[in-house]
This record gives sequence, C-alpha cells and structure tokens, in this order.
Amino acid sequence: DQQVKQNSPSLSVQEGRISILNCDYTNSMFDYFLWYKKYPAEGPTFLISISSIKDKNEDGRFTVFLNKSAKHLSLHIVPSQPGDSAVYFCAARGTGGYNKLIFGAGTRLAVHP
Amino acid sequence: EPEVTQTPSHQVTQMGQEVILRCVPISNHLYFYWYRQILGQKVEFLVSFYNNEISEKSEIFDDQFSVERPDGSNFTLKIRSTKLEDSAMYFCASSERPSGANVLTFGAGSRLTVL
Repeated sequence: DQQVKQNSPSLSVQEGRISILNCDYTNSMFDYFLWYKKYPAEGPTFLISISSIKDKNEDGRFTVFLNKSAKHLSLHIVPSQPGDSAVYFCAARGTGGYNKLIFGAGTRLAVHP
Repeated sequence: EPEVTQTPSHQVTQMGQEVILRCVPISNHLYFYWYRQILGQKVEFLVSFYNNEISEKSEIFDDQFSVERPDGSNFTLKIRSTKLEDSAMYFCASSERPSGANVLTFGAGSRLTVL
C-alpha cells in the first residue's frame, strides 16, 4: 500500500534558504492533504493542510502547493530555521465516513546554521 | 493547550505476553485512533474508534489486537500475545470530527520492545 509517497528520505538546507518537501499520491479520491512535523521522542504535530479544491494554502513561513493533475503536493518553508529540523510527514484523507489519514514515509529535514 | 497523553512511554515485554497501552484523548474529542511506526518506516494506521465501536481497521489489526474505551477518558490498545514484529512506537490520536481536514492530535507515543 503505497498510496502516499515521499521519495526523498532526507533533505539538508542552509538556514535562511527555502526548504521544499515533496509528496506524491495515487488515489484521486483523497480530499484533504496534511503535513505533520515530528521531533524525536514526540508524536507527529499538525502543521498545515490543503483541500483538494485548492492549489495553495499559506500559513506564515509554510506554504503547501497542490497539483492535482500530477497528483503531487509540496511543502515550502521560507526562510528555513534550525528549529525546523524534524521529520515531515505528508498525509492524505479519503472522502466520507471516519476516514483515516494515510501517511507517507517521511522526509528528514536538517537545517544548518 | 490540550494534549493526548499516552502511558507507558516505553514497555519491554517477552514474546507471547499481553500488553496494554493506554491513552487519554483530548476531552471533547469523539474519534480515536491508534497508529504505529516501526523503526525507520512510515506511520501506519491500525484502527479508528467512534461511539464505542471500531469504525475502521487495517490488515495489521488482526485478532491479536483489541481496543476498548473502559471509561469516559481512557482508550486502550491490547495486544494479546506479542510477537517480535510488534516492536514499534504506538501512537494514539484523537479528533473532534472526521470531516474536513480531520486534523488528528497525536500523543507522544508508547515504545514497545518485544524480546
């Protein structure tokens, strides 16, 4: 079951530059996409979401872009800060009912001073 | 800020033993979930629970697993006879409602080590 894929296991970025984390999905019925951030020894924490009817959602330094035709979304962090260093999970939700979130494998972001 | 609380933070058990992982969801949340993450792998859905019954479960959630909400605050995951491959971090999550973005709030996790 690889419905949500994060093909880059890690990313290293210099402080102040842009971080771009990518996510691909296969199920066109997903109606919401979410990004979670996870620090070691903690649970995932919600960062930002986007509805499938939108192509962009922005919250401060974080922007998520959705390309439905390509079944691709990305999270942009500008400017990146050392405190952003964490594992970022892309998640997707199906329609109706009590639909669970389906997570990707995560991308470890390291922001260097 | 309200949070999901999980206990124990780490449990070591022998193969074949029963384990109960406990969770206290956020008080006004009505939907509860268990996920797990085997070391280095993705976060996998196990089960969702609403109105005192399972609403959805994954293939991982076989007869060895069960969930219960024994009182108004706790939500437990029981593994009847643990196997080596059950070693993982188990996350409890809760949400107000499953519609919209269905933002799940996760606990810090319970690390289970089966020897």
